[in-house]
Amino acid sequence: DAKTTQPPSMDCAEGRAANLPCNHSTISGNEYVYWYRQIHSQGPQYIIHGLKNNETNEMASLIITEDRKSSTLILPHATLRDTAVYYCIVRSGGSNYKLTFGKGTLLTVNP
Amino acid sequence: DAGVTQSPTHLIKTRGQQVTLRCSPKSGHDTVSWYQQALGQGPQFIFQYYEEEERQRGNFPDRFSGHQFPNYSSELNVNALLLGDSALYLCASSLDPSGNTIYFGEGSWLTVV
Repeated sequence: DAKTTQPPSMDCAEGRAANLPCNHSTISGNEYVYWYRQIHSQGPQYIIHGLKNNETNEMASLIITEDRKSSTLILPHATLRDTAVYYCIVRSGGSNYKLTFGKGTLLTVNP
Repeated sequence: DAGVTQSPTHLIKTRGQQVTLRCSPKSGHDTVSWYQQALGQGPQFIFQYYEEEERQRGNFPDRFSGHQFPNYSSELNVNALLLGDSALYLCASSLDPSGNTIYFGEGSWLTVV
């Protein structure tokens, strides 16, 4: 699986958009970008995933650059409950099923 | 619709003992994976079960074993517990082994003393 690089921490004001970057310069053509978040002492929560195109769901938007070497997770209107560790994961298709977690980004949403 | 459920939520064991953790996958899911998360670290993949067989395994010793039942539920067994096995054990389920959406349970906190 390709490695990902994320900033260790970020701050965001409540009500503003939170933009979390992720670099995955060694990503292969069949590898997906996944985002999970983990609120303290809880299990990871699935947010979104994508292959090439930008994706949006009720939680967030995922913007993947054209060369697929980086992506950004956007929380459009951050709330205090969005404070969590956010993990960007690159997962291959085929028979490699596991998710390989790094250290993630601790997003703190401030009032 | 129940999500992934795990039991017990917390337990304390003594070094050298054995422990069994249980997981019921999300409704409609037939694939279960287990992860270990030490304090301050990201989850680490232990293994995945599909059709009652271990399909993929991470870098964990044979002390870690598992089982999947015909109803798709799963158990994680850890023998000869070490202090370093203290962690949050997470179960995850998906529609199939390559399922794109993987859901996690809230985990079982294991403390080895």
